[in-house]
Amino acid sequence: AQSVTQLGSHVSVSEGALVLLRCNYSSSVPPYLFWYVQYPNQGLQLLLKYTTGATLVKGINGFEAEFKKSETSFHLTKPSAHMSDAAEYFCAVSATSYDKVIFGPGTSLSVIP
Amino acid sequence: KAGVTQTPRYLIKTRGQQVTLSCSPISGHRSVSWYQQTPGQGLQFLFEYFSETQRNKGNFPGRFSGRQFSNSRSEMNVSTLELGDSALYLCASESGTWSTGELFFGEGSRLTVL
Repeated sequence: AQSVTQLGSHVSVSEGALVLLRCNYSSSVPPYLFWYVQYPNQGLQLLLKYTTGATLVKGINGFEAEFKKSETSFHLTKPSAHMSDAAEYFCAVSATSYDKVIFGPGTSLSVIP
Repeated sequence: KAGVTQTPRYLIKTRGQQVTLSCSPISGHRSVSWYQQTPGQGLQFLFEYFSETQRNKGNFPGRFSGRQFSNSRSEMNVSTLELGDSALYLCASESGTWSTGELFFGEGSRLTVL
């Protein structure tokens, strides 16, 4: 069975600082990995995804994530935080193209002016 | 292109009642998934439908059920409501025959059980 852990339920960064949100997964097969963002009172929106190929994945709004198989990690980064990045971020995994998508518990990102 | 539409957006029920939530996927999308979101449990997968068939199911009791119609619209039903069923219920649609994980979410239906 697949599972996702996200280190830190809440992360605060200063505006302009590096954003690093951690995600580790467990999967018995090479997984599909995703990051989703949820703004207040909204549904989730896909930021980026890894299926196969290049391990460094670029997404929307300047975010990127690197798939590291040896560490079973898929951490999300952004070089410079913006106030509009304040939201809840979810890492997710899917084992195969048939499988359901399992979400991690989420990390709430606050950006301090 | 219209997004995923969920109705109603907010509703209040009392224990023991039942509720039906509706989800209209993006036009052309044939897969619909349902998730329950609560502060304590996060996003929990309920079920996924594709071409009117349940393709995946989460670990929820039988009180939670769903269906999909020929136009891909989906409904989920919760019977004999309990206080713990209070949550944001999110619907997500996906385009392809095979799940790619690229889900498009609605804004959710917020259910409060009193």
